[in-house]
Formats: sequence, C-alpha cells, structure tokens
Amino acid sequence: GDSVTQMEGPVTLSEEAFLTINCTYTATGYPSLFWYVQYPGEGLQLLLKATKADDKGSNKGFEATYRKETTSFHLEKGSVQVSDSAVYFCARMDSSYKLIFGSGTRLLVRP
Amino acid sequence: NAGVTQTPKFQVLKTGQSMTLQCAQDMNHNSMYWYRQDPGMGLRLIYYSASEGTTDKGEVPNGYNVSRLNKREFSLRLESAAPSQTSVYFCASSAGQGSEKLFFGSGTQLSVL
Repeated sequence: GDSVTQMEGPVTLSEEAFLTINCTYTATGYPSLFWYVQYPGEGLQLLLKATKADDKGSNKGFEATYRKETTSFHLEKGSVQVSDSAVYFCARMDSSYKLIFGSGTRLLVRP
Repeated sequence: NAGVTQTPKFQVLKTGQSMTLQCAQDMNHNSMYWYRQDPGMGLRLIYYSASEGTTDKGEVPNGYNVSRLNKREFSLRLESAAPSQTSVYFCASSAGQGSEKLFFGSGTQLSVL
C-alpha cells in the first residue's frame, strides 16, 4: 500500500551544521507531501508542504523539494539551531484525503 | 487561544479497565481525528470524523470506540484496556476532509499495566 519512509534517527548535529532528513514515498499518482514537526511535550504542527512535482516548500529556514523522479521529499536546512531540536515527520495525503505519516526522525542539535 | 484540548495528559490503567479520552476544539473545524504514536511507527490513525454525525475507522481501530458528541468534541473510548494500547494518543482537527493542515492537541500518555 501507499507509505512514507523516513531515515532512522536520532540525527545529532552541532549548531550551524547542515541538515538533511531523507523521506521517500510510494503512491499512485502525485500526492501532496508535507513535513510536520513535534517539539518536546507538544503535538505536531505543519512545517511546510508541496502539492505538485518540482514544488519547493519552505518555512523557518527549512526547505523540501517534491521530486517525482526519485519519489522523494527530503527536508533540508542550511544552519540548524538548538531550538530546531524536535521530531520531524514526513507525510503524504492518501486517496481518501487522510494523512499518512512516516515514523519520525528525532533531531538533536548541540550548542 | 486554546486550539485542540485533550484530557487527561497522563493516565495509568490496569488491564481490563475502561476509560475515555476527551478532545475538544474551538476552531469550528469539521473534521477530527484520533492517532496513536508508538516508537518507530510514527502516527497511526485510529478513527476519524469527517463531519459532525459521522465516524470512520482508520488504520488501527480494534479495541477502540469513538463518539462525535457535537462539532467541538470527539472522544475515544477504550472498553477493556490491554498492554498493547500503551501509547501516546493525539487528537487533531482540520477545517475539512482533504485539508492537510491538522491542528494537534498536546497528547495523552497512556500506560496499561
């Protein structure tokens, strides 16, 4: 069935390092793709989205590009901060308009 | 500025006990959802309600029941809790089915002994 696969964490980086969190999906057609973020002790919140191939979603310095050739939607940030420490979830919309989430990737940024 | 409010935040149950998780949203959203979050498995949809008066099963509905009490409230009931239901439960809402922006509550940590 349709699914979302993320790289396993945790990912540990020093402040100002470059971040990539990989995400790939399986689907028929071209579903909308999303990144959600969960800060400690909170629920998830939408970080960014892309609704069609080659779209780039961006927010708070994070970016992700919808690549239909590689069925990927990798999350990147040029310079991470301690405050970016959180769990990041890749997600896609299924055919009945519900979100399917990946397993999440924990990011820990050290000062 | 409440958004989505879940109660309780923590709960410990013994196997076989029952309980209801409460969820309310103040954004006049049509759709509401219950997810469970388990290590290494991400979020899995238990039940959802596309609109007031309707409920549908998600990916992992067994052992749970739901009630969409009114537009604001969507409760999740465990009739006979099992250790496999130890998890973190999140309620979420959205403007409508197909809206990708979900608003989440802060979660309920449930342990079943």
